[in-house]
Amino acid sequence: DIQMTQSPSSLSASVGDRVTITCQASQDISNYLHWYQQKPGKAPKLLIYDASNLETGVPSRFSGSGSGTDFTFTISSLQPEDIATYYCQQCDNLPLTFGGGTKVEIK
Amino acid sequence: QLQLQESGPGLVKPSETLSLTCTVSGGSISRSSYYWGWIRQPPGMGLEWIGSMYYRGSTYYNPSLKSRVTISVDRSKNQFSLKLNSVTAADTAVYYCARHIVGTTGGVDYWGQGTLVTVSS
Repeated sequence: DIQMTQSPSSLSASVGDRVTITCQASQDISNYLHWYQQKPGKAPKLLIYDASNLETGVPSRFSGSGSGTDFTFTISSLQPEDIATYYCQQCDNLPLTFGGGTKVEIK
Repeated sequence: QLQLQESGPGLVKPSETLSLTCTVSGGSISRSSYYWGWIRQPPGMGLEWIGSMYYRGSTYYNPSLKSRVTISVDRSKNQFSLKLNSVTAADTAVYYCARHIVGTTGGVDYWGQGTLVTVSS
């Protein structure tokens, strides 16, 4: 199985801050790495697919980069509505595996 | 717009079988290249893939659950189902059905709203 290591597990930042989350795969997954936002009581929502492609309708302050085993997710200017838990996930191979999640809070 | 909706009992007794159905509307589960799967999330915890069915019908399961899981399809109703037997309290979770891709562009792009299943006597 491909293990996904996501960090940090939580962070607190001010509105307008730049926020960065990292995700490392235990083996090369090309760019089949996706990022999700989950708000309390809701299903996860795909934000970025294939490491760096913004899903339709997702604000441009969200971005992703990386390939192979190391990936980064960035919120360029944190907004109050971005409070959520973010997950990385690989779809290179089954079983699908997720990172442990990063809970983003406002300072 | 594709929509997925889970249905099934919200309470299951220990050692019994958890059964859920996902009804897909706005698109066919027979559409080429897609997988239809189940993902769960215990309260306050992360996401775990349970298993998926490829559009042609082949099934794939998480090795950690494989001995207890069955995913089946009813194409006439555009539905797929999950059965998890011999449940324990550790199986208490929100269960999501979802559509995804493997090994090519795209992720888990459509999710159901999720349904909480509690295992308790």
